[in-house]
Amino acid sequence: KQEVTQIPAALSVPEGENLVLNCSFTDSAIYNLQWFRQDPGKGLTSLLLIQSSQREQTSGRLNASLDKSSGRSTLYIAASQPGDSATYLCAAHDQGGKLIFGQGTELSVKP
Amino acid sequence: DAMVIQNPRYQVTQFGKPVTLSCSQTLNHNVMYWYQQKSSQAPKLLFHYYDKDFNNEADTPDNFQSRRPNTSFCFLDIRSPGLGDAAMYLCATSGPTGSGELFFGEGSRLTVL
Repeated sequence: KQEVTQIPAALSVPEGENLVLNCSFTDSAIYNLQWFRQDPGKGLTSLLLIQSSQREQTSGRLNASLDKSSGRSTLYIAASQPGDSATYLCAAHDQGGKLIFGQGTELSVKP
Repeated sequence: DAMVIQNPRYQVTQFGKPVTLSCSQTLNHNVMYWYQQKSSQAPKLLFHYYDKDFNNEADTPDNFQSRRPNTSFCFLDIRSPGLGDAAMYLCATSGPTGSGELFFGEGSRLTVL
């Protein structure tokens, strides 16, 4: 059974810092891995999707990597801004078509 | 432009009073999902449709039902809401081929009094 874990659960950084959010999964037989952002009381916004055959994806200040062999993915945020404050969730899409979520990392970027 | 639309955004109901949440999509995706997310927890898959084929998760309570009358719409029915059913309910869609990327709506926040 796939399990997804995110560390840390919460992170507070000053504005301008580069930061890394971590995601690990127990079953490497994934179809893809997706990173989401969730603002309080809102739905999920897709940030990046990495296919199982890919190693990384980039969008603006965001870069996500995937290492299936070690069961890990990272989300790198460059030059963080207060507007980046949100909860970041990773989710592994298993071969059976289910998206299994981690519990998220709550990020706070202080001005 | 919103592609996955959920209504209502906020729903307040009384203990035991049935509730229906709706989801519509303009993406023409054939897969639709319903997730339940309780405060500070990961979203939990309740069920999903692959076209008209309904797939229920083993641990989804019988109190939760779903209907998909056509490609664009999907409904979540909670027959007798309990206090433990208070949560954010998230609808998502994905296409039949390609990336498998999921697109979520803004969610429906259910409060049970």
